[in-house]
Amino acid sequence: SYELTQPPSVSVSPGQTARITCSGDALPKQYAYWYQQKPGQAPVLVIYKDTERPSGIPERFSGSSSGTTVTLTISGVQAEDEADYYCQSADSSSTYVVFGGGTKLTVL
Amino acid sequence: QVQLVESGGGLVKPGGSLRLSCAASGFTFSDYYMSWIRQAPGKGLEWVSYISTSGTTIYSADSVKGRFTISRDNAKNSLYLQMNSLRAEDTAVYYCARDKGVEAAHHFDYWGQGTLVTVSS
Repeated sequence: SYELTQPPSVSVSPGQTARITCSGDALPKQYAYWYQQKPGQAPVLVIYKDTERPSGIPERFSGSSSGTTVTLTISGVQAEDEADYYCQSADSSSTYVVFGGGTKLTVL
Repeated sequence: QVQLVESGGGLVKPGGSLRLSCAASGFTFSDYYMSWIRQAPGKGLEWVSYISTSGTTIYSADSVKGRFTISRDNAKNSLYLQMNSLRAEDTAVYYCARDKGVEAAHHFDYWGQGTLVTVSS
């Protein structure tokens, strides 16, 4: 079955830039989406269609895509950004939904 | 404002059944695909199943195929998940989510707060 691969953890100091990657063979053909999940809360969509930001999401969140890898970038990381981040996409047939394993962002 | 409220979770024995419900409000329910997504304790997100606006198109993850059935009642603005032959590995928080699959690739712009299902003897 199709898989999306994320690093288990990323650590940055406040004010620095965090980059979280997500790799998958179908990503050149399928959009990627990113969700933020804080402890005890439901996930929140922070990036859609690789690079678009929903209303209400801070500008420091951005997305990019290159080949089989998509990247969530958080510029000027703040303490409140500490959370788990999940990428999501679809298989090559666009039928099945897949989530990456998640990346825990730690703000030092 | 969009609201999704799940109910029906609880403790059930292996092999048992449970039916989850999701009450939707704040948007035209019949215009949207809907999905169930779960999260085992301390683990990541796993998509379970989605259903089209009219209920005619349904897909489910291999892990639940043949055991779980998604359905909807547009007149009641409600989404359901019938779970049969439950296993310990089905223990998770189950989220109901609004699915943007009508206008774009499947993704989820609103989520409920989740309901916990525990499968244990």
